[in-house]
Amino acid sequence: QTVVTQEPSFSVSPGGTVTITCSLTSASVSNIHYPGWYQQTPGQPPRTLIYTTSVRSSGVSDRFSGSILGNKAALTITGAQADDESTYFCVLYLGSGIYVFGTGTKVTVL
Amino acid sequence: QGQLQESGPGLVKPSETLSLTCSVSGASVTIPSFFWNWVRQPAGKGPEWIGRVYYTGNTNYNPSLKSRVSISLDSSRNELSLKLTSVTAADTAVYFCVREVAAITSLFDSWGQGTVVTVSS
Repeated sequence: QTVVTQEPSFSVSPGGTVTITCSLTSASVSNIHYPGWYQQTPGQPPRTLIYTTSVRSSGVSDRFSGSILGNKAALTITGAQADDESTYFCVLYLGSGIYVFGTGTKVTVL
Repeated sequence: QGQLQESGPGLVKPSETLSLTCSVSGASVTIPSFFWNWVRQPAGKGPEWIGRVYYTGNTNYNPSLKSRVSISLDSSRNELSLKLTSVTAADTAVYFCVREVAAITSLFDSWGQGTVVTVSS
C-alpha cells in the first residue's frame, strides 16, 4: 500500500514562514503526481489551496505557494496569520485514476 | 459553484453493507466536466480516497478497498452513491462526496459537508 508522509506538526510565529512537505515511501514526488494541498479546520471539509503542484485555487492568498523541493512536494506559508492555524493535507495522483492523501500536518501559529 | 450533500444511515452493523447517497446541485452528473469522488476520514486521521465515477459510468477505486466498494451515478436524481460491503469498525469515518474537475488532475473543487458513519453492533 502506498503511503504519503507529512510532518505531524509545525509551530510558526505570526509573520513567520513554514514549509510542509509531502513524500512517497516508494518514489520521488514530481510534477507527474500533480500534487495538491488542502486546508482543514475541525468539523469542516477540506478547502482547496493548491493543485497541479503550484496553482492557487480561486480566492486563495498568495501567502500560500506550492512547489517541488528535491524529491518532495512542498507547501510554503509566508507571513503566517492566526487563521492559518489548521491541518494541511497533500494529495498525490498515482496514475490510472488513483489518488492518495497524505497523513496531514497540524500547523500552530503562536 | 456546485453543492453536494451526503445522506445515509449513521450507524451500520459489522458485516453489513454501508450505503450512502450524495445529492448534487449546480451541475449535472451527466456532463463530462467532472469526476465524482468519495473520500472518507476517520476521526483524527487524514483523508482516504475511496474512488470516483465519471459520467460514462467508468470507475476507479482505491486498490485497498476495491473488492468491497461500488460507486455509481443516478442521472434521473442527479446523485451519486457509495456501497461498501462487509464493513468493520475500521470503516467508521466521516464520508465526503467530492467533485473533481476532469480537465485538471488533483483539483477537488467542491466538497460536501460530510456524513458520519459508525460501524457498531
